[in-house]
Amino acid sequence: DTEVTQTPKHLVMGMTNKKSLKCEQHMGHRAMYWYKQKAKKPPELMFVYSYEKLSINESVPSRFSPECPNSSLLNLHLHALQPEDSALYLCASSQDRGQGYYEQYFGPGTRLTVT
Amino acid sequence: AQKVTQAQTEISVVEKEDVTLDCVYETRDTTYYLFWYKQPPSGELVFLIRRNSFDEQNEISGRYSWNFQKSTSSFNFTITASQVVDSAVYFCALSDTNRDDKIIFGKGTRLHILP
Repeated sequence: DTEVTQTPKHLVMGMTNKKSLKCEQHMGHRAMYWYKQKAKKPPELMFVYSYEKLSINESVPSRFSPECPNSSLLNLHLHALQPEDSALYLCASSQDRGQGYYEQYFGPGTRLTVT
Repeated sequence: AQKVTQAQTEISVVEKEDVTLDCVYETRDTTYYLFWYKQPPSGELVFLIRRNSFDEQNEISGRYSWNFQKSTSSFNFTITASQVVDSAVYFCALSDTNRDDKIIFGKGTRLHILP
């Protein structure tokens, strides 16, 4: 089973709202990732968690707050977003970290619209 | 600097034709990994293949085949007897050995298979 699930599929939120994106995997993977993808662009890495600890933050604004409650779950808390934050947010996981040695498996994404 | 170039922005072919997606990469590393991902309209990135820099053997998986040539820094992807379900954006990617877990994506090639 190489499934990564993400909820919700679609989310519309106002600039003053607080919402969360959820990602789950049951493959026993120890590394999990958040990516942001704008239309017609490749995914851009936001955060990497390794063994439930934040290991990479790609200088993401603080209005995005990741959380890894356990090895299977990854959340992305959203607060005071801007319209330019509208994008597809993809979660991924891999067996471990390691310079590309382990392939990343992606979820279907959450399509976020900020109004 | 590491870079992945997918010069074909968009390709359209008629069903059952063969099609090759080009990927050229740049890296100074001797050890690196190359990937291909498929992103159908549903949004999920689907892992297709990982190849390490020491393995130049071509790979075939059903209608898919990959040609890795270090001499030309290319990792091309061919779909034989294309089908409408192959319509998607295809990303070629390179592991960033300076940064654990970071994948450098090309800009993607949008493939349309016409019935």
